[in-house]
Amino acid sequence: DGGITQSPKYLFRKEGQNVTLSCEQNLNHDAMYWYRQDPGQGLRLIYYSQIVNDFQKGDIAEGYSVSREKKESFPLTVTSAQKNPTAFYLCASSIGVEQFFGPGTRLTVL
Amino acid sequence: QKEVEQNSGPLSVPEGAIASLNCTYSDRGSQSFFWYRQYSGKSPELIMSIYSNGDKEDGRFTAQLNKASQYVSLLIRDSQPSDSATYLCAFWGGYQKVTFGTGTKLQVIP
Repeated sequence: DGGITQSPKYLFRKEGQNVTLSCEQNLNHDAMYWYRQDPGQGLRLIYYSQIVNDFQKGDIAEGYSVSREKKESFPLTVTSAQKNPTAFYLCASSIGVEQFFGPGTRLTVL
Repeated sequence: QKEVEQNSGPLSVPEGAIASLNCTYSDRGSQSFFWYRQYSGKSPELIMSIYSNGDKEDGRFTAQLNKASQYVSLLIRDSQPSDSATYLCAFWGGYQKVTFGTGTKLQVIP
């Protein structure tokens, strides 16, 4: 089955730790995205990538980093510089303008 | 001014009724519009895309777009309890960026 997978489903981080969220797609989509969703707020774009080895900052990139070494994979690292990382993180991919989402990772800071 | 405005709800409709969800946007350059459905605790699912003025129907769903009024709506006919979810309006204005509203919560009462 084609789709987007994210892991882990739930992630707990201690203060000062970096954590990496995985996103993989087998849809052969060129573009991939990371969003953050907080209660009562819309999805906010963290980073996006249109092709391998290239990515751009979104609206809230501070405290996050990404890589795009393979077309299928777009991992997100939440660094210790991100002061309020507790949120629902969503990965998406697109071919054209329609974006399709993975199941999400819920990150909680302990 | 927010880029995408949606009434947060909840919008309550009885089972079998028509649910009408509305969205306004501020970017006159917006070219493509989307409706996503998001169940509690889950990721958004694309249910409708509309690109030109007028109506687009898909099963029980009808999307309506009026670019002159900067208005897009979603009608759900014969509403079912399984339609209870938050509905996100979104638009693509270029540069690979999709802007999302905060969503309207729909409750279908059996």
